[in-house]
Amino acid sequence: EAGVAQSPRYKIIEKRQSVAFWCNPISGHATLYWYQQILGQGPKLLIQFQNNGVVDDSQLPKDRFSAERLKGVDSTLKIQPAKLEDSAVYLCASSLDQVAGTQYFGPGTRLLVL
Amino acid sequence: GESVGLHLPTLSVQEGDNSIINCAYSNSASDYFIWYKQESGKGPQFIIDIRSNMDKRQGQRVTVLLNKTVKHLSLQIAATQPGDSAVYFCAEDTGRRALTFGSGTRLQVQP
Repeated sequence: EAGVAQSPRYKIIEKRQSVAFWCNPISGHATLYWYQQILGQGPKLLIQFQNNGVVDDSQLPKDRFSAERLKGVDSTLKIQPAKLEDSAVYLCASSLDQVAGTQYFGPGTRLLVL
Repeated sequence: GESVGLHLPTLSVQEGDNSIINCAYSNSASDYFIWYKQESGKGPQFIIDIRSNMDKRQGQRVTVLLNKTVKHLSLQIAATQPGDSAVYFCAEDTGRRALTFGSGTRLQVQP
């Protein structure tokens, strides 16, 4: 079974530029999560989707971050404009349903904002 | 490879020894707990989980202990191997159907 796919794996941009990350969850997984992991810390939830609807986006900085999962499968996370403090690894995870423990993570996208 | 974290608490053990990694959680309402392993350049990998109606659960070479009285979770790894070297995170389900992760512990296995 293929795992969670993410692209790109690495991205370097200058502050105030825009960037987008893509995630393809495990086939059949209804729930998709985006996490931000700053160096030296555990992952922090940004947004959770159930199919194509948002379940929880309370920790998403909505002035600059946006995410969508229009067809209930793939998802994109966008940052516009980026700040230096956005440098982190952005992890996508998926689960078959809303039972939190069965989350499977992708390899992440490492973002460096200069 | 790139380090997952530079200033994490570190546990250093000899190959073959048993390892115990500890975690304190914050929310007494949490009813589900998970341990993840994260190697450099990779996403977290599920190791073992436990529900709040249990105090111990065993897997292959791993055991999780839950003490709800003091809100403490531990992961025991038997016969630690070099491949166990990684950062280990505990995570709790605080009822929002999403996970809150701890800050992590780096395990270094000396050959």
